[in-house]
Amino acid sequence: AQSVAQPEDQVNVAEGNPLTVKCTYSVSGNPYLFWYVQYPNRGLQFLLKYITGDNLVKGSYGFEAEFNKSQTSFHLKKPSALVSDSALYFCAVREGSSSGGYNKLIFGAGTRLAVHP
Amino acid sequence: DTGVSQDPRHKITKRGQNVTFRCDPISEHNRLYWYRQTLGQGPEFLTYFQNEAQLEKSRLLSDRFSAERPKGSFSTLEIQRTEQGDSAMYLCASSFPSGGANEQFFGPGTRLTVL
Repeated sequence: AQSVAQPEDQVNVAEGNPLTVKCTYSVSGNPYLFWYVQYPNRGLQFLLKYITGDNLVKGSYGFEAEFNKSQTSFHLKKPSALVSDSALYFCAVREGSSSGGYNKLIFGAGTRLAVHP
Repeated sequence: DTGVSQDPRHKITKRGQNVTFRCDPISEHNRLYWYRQTLGQGPEFLTYFQNEAQLEKSRLLSDRFSAERPKGSFSTLEIQRTEQGDSAMYLCASSFPSGGANEQFFGPGTRLTVL
């Protein structure tokens, strides 16, 4: 069965410092991996995805993520955190299938990022 | 605004009542999804439509839940005989057709409180 783990409930970072939000996954086939961000009282906003190709993917608002197949990880990173990055971050996985039969996203429980001035 | 819209944004109801939520996807998206999110958890998949066809349903979708997308455009999610455990944020998302590589775009959600 597909699953996603976000081992940290909360990550605290000082503004200007690099940040990492961790994600590991489990799928039986090739994974499609996504990061979303959720601000209070708002829906999820797409940040970036890994489908195939280069293991380092770049996304919105200066975020990037590194796919590591051997460690089954897809950690979210940003070189310099902003206070405005404070939000709830979700990692999600979808099992890739040539038949197109797998469509649902499986989400982790989320990690709250707090960036302090 | 051409994003995914949901109505209402908030719904408070008494246990045992029926409620219906509406989702309007991005117009050129033929795939539509419903998820449920409870406090402290990530969204959980409920059901998925491709055009008007409901192609996948989660075991979370008990027989009190029904979803429709009659003309392949907007969708409704109805909960009959609501229970306190139904209190959650109900999220709708839509996407372009693909083998699964396209990201899903989410609406703001409908927050349901069952008293």
